[in-house]
Amino acid sequence: QVQLVQSGAEVKTPGSSMKVACKASGGTFSNYSINWVRQAPGQGLEWVGGFIPIFGTTNYAQKFQDRFTVTTDRSTGTAYMGLSSLRSEDTAVYYCARGAFTYGPRYYDLDVWGPGTTVTISS
Amino acid sequence: DIVMTQSPLSLPVTPGEPASMSCRSSESLLHSNGYNYLDWYLQKPGQSPQLLIYLASNRASGVPDRFSGSGSGTDFTLKISRVEPEDVGVYFCMQGLQTPTFGPGTRVEIK
Repeated sequence: QVQLVQSGAEVKTPGSSMKVACKASGGTFSNYSINWVRQAPGQGLEWVGGFIPIFGTTNYAQKFQDRFTVTTDRSTGTAYMGLSSLRSEDTAVYYCARGAFTYGPRYYDLDVWGPGTTVTISS
Repeated sequence: DIVMTQSPLSLPVTPGEPASMSCRSSESLLHSNGYNYLDWYLQKPGQSPQLLIYLASNRASGVPDRFSGSGSGTDFTLKISRVEPEDVGVYFCMQGLQTPTFGPGTRVEIK
């Protein structure tokens, strides 16, 4: 049974960058999409972006254009989400989730979720 | 972006009784392949979200059969045949036809 393990909580200053790790334990991301979803304090869920290893493609919600990146380390089975130019409204819990994909719709059926990484943006 | 709405936003329920909630999308979620790209997730208090239903009506692995999803196009429903105390939490729908977007959630609580 695959589990997703995420890196620990972070405190960042406005304008800096963050990097959150997500490792698949007991499996790989090879035949799945990797999704990043965030939840601001007391708020709902927001899809930030995703990556499909087989396609090598990265997608993101329009509001994160130019700020969102994904990198992967195949040797350790770890995916990293980067977000730059941080502002206070980026304070949230960031979840990684494994999902299905097709050549058409690319991100759905998020069947395995990590525990979340709390990121606080504060001066 | 496709806008997702859910109703009601709060749903008091009685254990053993049925419950139902709605999710609507601003555009049809029916793909040319015949599938509706609509998922349902439950976030229990203090936990990560968990997948309940994918492609509108398919129960995820391990999900009790008291949960069922239905609908097509722009209107979708999640039903719980007999609510259990452990079903409390926030239920989110998410469309995956385009860049994913979530609904605001329906908070289910015991009366």
